[in-house]
Amino acid sequence: GENVEQHPSTLSVQEGDSAVIKCTYSDSASNYFPWYKQELGKRPQLIIDIRSNVGEKKDQRIAVTLNKTAKHFSLHITETQPEDSAVYFCAARPSGGYQKVTFGTGTKLQVIP
Amino acid sequence: GAVVSQHPSRVICKSGTSVKIECRSLDFQATTMFWYRQFPKQSLMLMATSNEGSKATYEQGVEKDKFLINHASLTLSTLTVTSAHPEDSSFYICSASRLADDNEQFFGPGTRLTVL
Repeated sequence: GENVEQHPSTLSVQEGDSAVIKCTYSDSASNYFPWYKQELGKRPQLIIDIRSNVGEKKDQRIAVTLNKTAKHFSLHITETQPEDSAVYFCAARPSGGYQKVTFGTGTKLQVIP
Repeated sequence: GAVVSQHPSRVICKSGTSVKIECRSLDFQATTMFWYRQFPKQSLMLMATSNEGSKATYEQGVEKDKFLINHASLTLSTLTVTSAHPEDSSFYICSASRLADDNEQFFGPGTRLTVL
């Protein structure tokens, strides 16, 4: 089955700086890679996703890159704000039907004002 | 659109009792629902995949007889934790998929289970 590794497990940045979270996956059949933000005690919220037919996607301060050959993808948050503080999870899912999503181990991001 | 609810949000029960958690898709039909378990400071671990009208598919290591899943309609799936023990205390989250969104998962708000 799929195995998703995520680094770092914790990340502290100053407000206004950038944050980068990296993930690798093992199953070459995976072709959908969502990123979730989870605040304490709340549900995961999809913040951005990328499919294997593109290498990069951007939405305002958030961008995701995908290197399918190397099987890794990254989340980039620019101009970080205190409200970006949360746990971020990467995930991977193969194509076809209602396939299950495999989550990474999570990164706790702390943005210091 | 694409709202998923869970009930209850919190439950405290005595060891040995059974607890039922409901997951509902409020404004769409969900052919498939997923049940996750999340321990503090850990990731979401998939427990089972629930398809309407058929038996759930459980992940390796998840006891079918302990975690009973029923997906009786296109908008409702239930997870029953039978004979709960303190080690079953966790945050249980469901998600629902709909074909129109290319199988994107929409998560419920979660249920905090505490077994005394």
